[in-house]
Amino acid sequence: ETGVTQTPRHLVMGMTNKKSLKCEQHLGHNAMYWYKQSAKKPLELMFVYNFKEQTENNSVPSRFSPECPNSSHLFLHLHTLQPEDSALYLCASSQDTGLVEELFFGEGSRLTVL
Amino acid sequence: GNSVTQMEGPVTLSEEAFLTINCTYTATGYPSLFWYVQYPGEGLQLLLKATKADDKGSNKGFEATYRKETTSFHLEKGSVQVSDSAVYFCALSDPNFGNEKLTFGTGTRLTIIP
Repeated sequence: ETGVTQTPRHLVMGMTNKKSLKCEQHLGHNAMYWYKQSAKKPLELMFVYNFKEQTENNSVPSRFSPECPNSSHLFLHLHTLQPEDSALYLCASSQDTGLVEELFFGEGSRLTVL
Repeated sequence: GNSVTQMEGPVTLSEEAFLTINCTYTATGYPSLFWYVQYPGEGLQLLLKATKADDKGSNKGFEATYRKETTSFHLEKGSVQVSDSAVYFCALSDPNFGNEKLTFGTGTRLTIIP
């Protein structure tokens, strides 16, 4: 496998469910990111990890909980979400957060909250 | 703070037409500027970039010039193809923070009709 892989591609959950999104990168990068993509809004940066350490939490509600066990894997744990959290969640990676360089994105996980 | 403003879509053009997608930005200092493209069902991928004033980024027939005097980075292509149908995102990176402060626009959906 190459690049950035996200699973599941589609997820439907109720407001009381607990689910997780998974991201895996095979590029040897040290930085990983979660973005939220909603219609007619700019991409919203949610979390940033560099060498497994969280370096950015962009005022994201606590119902979203990230986990980065190593530089290749990133999770987004979801709990008691709201319908307005329905969106495409994109994972990305790069060599290092401190550099101005290309981000490599996964295909996204389409989340629908009922 | 930093911000990116893109022309609202959707944009629909006939094949071989000339394309311009406007992008203007607000930033302190000297940001790097990017265009990312998202093809249907895929994640974002870097299309081109420019790191200093008057630089021209180019790739796949697309071009954009970093204009500091007008704070713009408009995307152009002389003759579009059906395969160019996608969503295009303008972005800027704060040089003091690298990828931790990558700011995206709302995206412009482009549809090319045969």
